[in-house]
Amino acid sequence: GAGVSQSPSNKVTEKGKDVELRCDPISGHTALYWYRQSLGQGLEFLIYFQGNSAPDKSGLPSDRFSAERTGGSVSTLTIQRTQQEDSAVYLCASSPAGGTEYTFGSGTRLTVV
Amino acid sequence: AQKITQTQPGMFVQEKEAVTLDCTYDTSDQSYGLFWYKQPSSGEMIFLIYQGSYDEQNATEGRYSLNFQKARKSANLVISASQLGDSAMYFCAMRGYRGGSYIPTFGRGTSLIVHP
Repeated sequence: GAGVSQSPSNKVTEKGKDVELRCDPISGHTALYWYRQSLGQGLEFLIYFQGNSAPDKSGLPSDRFSAERTGGSVSTLTIQRTQQEDSAVYLCASSPAGGTEYTFGSGTRLTVV
Repeated sequence: AQKITQTQPGMFVQEKEAVTLDCTYDTSDQSYGLFWYKQPSSGEMIFLIYQGSYDEQNATEGRYSLNFQKARKSANLVISASQLGDSAMYFCAMRGYRGGSYIPTFGRGTSLIVHP
């Protein structure tokens, strides 16, 4: 597609439920990144993919968070047993290999009630 | 580890005036890149400008210029002739090598309000 697409744009879930957030990067972009932005804060790096591989998972805040990428394209960020502190905007970005420009999606606003 | 510091939580500027948003960084990498992004109230992240650590000239993109002072480890964004539509959050970021790839690390942002 023309840009990075994220779905859903908004998600309200009950505490304790699992959620899946989806990112569809720009076609041909081999690198994909997930960030979390809490209200009024900067971007917190979560995880990145080079192709389907995630070499560094140390940014994930807890073992309730996991991510995968298939076919070098779509990525899913899964949060299990959601907590209120998980409420944030989750942003996805993609770039070509070794690129100097990162294109962001519009984000998924997650609210845990 | 890379670190980006933006010390100005909020800035105000009069329309048509110039404004400088501060950014300092810390890294042990020899090769790195510096970015600025704009985030309006809609939430999208808009790429503004990029500066490579080996670039000798300061980057410019229209009304945006990056004042790169390598020895001071600063990468300030200068917006000339401010417009009302420039009101937004501005994030400085550094592209550093981590775990086999180049990962952008972001500062906490500066909120810019442009007065008519």
